[in-house]
Amino acid sequence: EVQLQQSGAELVRPGTSVKLSCKVSGDTITAYYMHFVKQRPGQGLEWIGRIDPEDDSAKYAEKFKNKATLTADTSSNTAYLKLSSLTSEDTATYFCTAYNNSGVWFTYWGQGTLVTVSS
Amino acid sequence: DIRMTQSPASLSASLGETVNIECLPSEDIYSDLAWYQQKPGKSPQLLIYNANSLQNGVPSRFSGSGSGTQYSLKINSLQSEDVATYFCQQYNNYPWTFGGGTKLELK
Repeated sequence: EVQLQQSGAELVRPGTSVKLSCKVSGDTITAYYMHFVKQRPGQGLEWIGRIDPEDDSAKYAEKFKNKATLTADTSSNTAYLKLSSLTSEDTATYFCTAYNNSGVWFTYWGQGTLVTVSS
Repeated sequence: DIRMTQSPASLSASLGETVNIECLPSEDIYSDLAWYQQKPGKSPQLLIYNANSLQNGVPSRFSGSGSGTQYSLKINSLQSEDVATYFCQQYNNYPWTFGGGTKLELK
């Protein structure tokens, strides 16, 4: 059974960066497209982008192009989301989610990482 | 970007009732639509994909329908464990987009 395990909650200062991880277990990460989704407290879901660990190609939503960077490490079966120049608007839970070639809907989800931006 | 208009934003229903949630994409998404259930403090879980296909393990009281620019999620015989927020999502065109969510509560 495929599982996505995300890194723990982060408390970070405004203007800094943070790197979140999402480790795949139960299969090889190269079989999946890895996506990240943002959810602000009490709000809806926003798609940030996706990475194909097979070739490191990434796509981003326009509003996250200067905010988010997606990478993947096939040796550790882990995908990463780096968020830069953090502001209070970045305070949110970030989910990783994935699908394989069976279909492009979000079948697998991590438990989420809460990022709190505060001085 | 494809805008996903979901309604109602909140809904109160009794046990055993039938509930309908609507999702209207701003353009034709050719049934490239999924529905997710999210309980408080948890990650979303896939219910329906391709507008009307039930994900393995999801109770059959959940069903999806629609095409083009009009889709709906139906919950038959509402159970207490169905209290959650429901989201639609299109995967026809990047950027993938979600509806604003429907919070379902018990009356």
